[in-house]
Amino acid sequence: GAVVSQHPSRVICKSGTSVKIECRSLDFQATTMFWYRQFPKQSLMLMATSNEGSKATYEQGVEKDKFLINHASLTLSTLTVTSAHPEDSSFYICSARVHRPSSGNTIYFGEGSWLTVV
Amino acid sequence: AQKITQTQPGMFVQEKEAVTLDCTYDTSDQSYGLFWYKQPSSGEMIFLIYQGSYDEQNATEGRYSLNFQKARKSANLVISASQLGDSAMYFCAMREALSGSARQLTFGSGTQLTVLP
Repeated sequence: GAVVSQHPSRVICKSGTSVKIECRSLDFQATTMFWYRQFPKQSLMLMATSNEGSKATYEQGVEKDKFLINHASLTLSTLTVTSAHPEDSSFYICSARVHRPSSGNTIYFGEGSWLTVV
Repeated sequence: AQKITQTQPGMFVQEKEAVTLDCTYDTSDQSYGLFWYKQPSSGEMIFLIYQGSYDEQNATEGRYSLNFQKARKSANLVISASQLGDSAMYFCAMREALSGSARQLTFGSGTQLTVLP
């Protein structure tokens, strides 16, 4: 079953508005979650590391004020795309680290969110 | 320099045949983890298999096995008895030790696998 849940799976918003994407860890606590962005036919690019109870760590080139990350609880991280523009249209996906006896610290992904800005 | 290299942008395999997807990596860490994920057209990232750098045996998970050659820094994914549902993009990823507790993944460029009936 799903280990990490992401919502919404698809969202369309108007330019200039903000949209929030949620990433939840199911049945486990995640002190660290990761947010990725993926353009069509390309690999995943890490945007930021979301740390519970503290500020997110952003990768170089990622605008902190545009992509707001909040990790208010041990099971929820949110990514808010502020003042969205069409070029923000992309696939956003989160992940969290889970410790499993069979596979160590495995990283599981949410289902991803397709964002379209019109 | 690329940390994860997948040299096969696309691969074709006949149904029921085995296929190997290549992955080489570059790291100076002694402790690291290697992952393979499957990404169907829906976009979700499905965890397939994990290999730790200190694991002496090659990881296996059902039809998936990882051919881990540490000296060559390669971690090829072998899918046996391919099925039509295996058609997807496959990503190799590596987790290195970083300062602090956060350990992020670095992904390869992916290999698009198509299983032919």
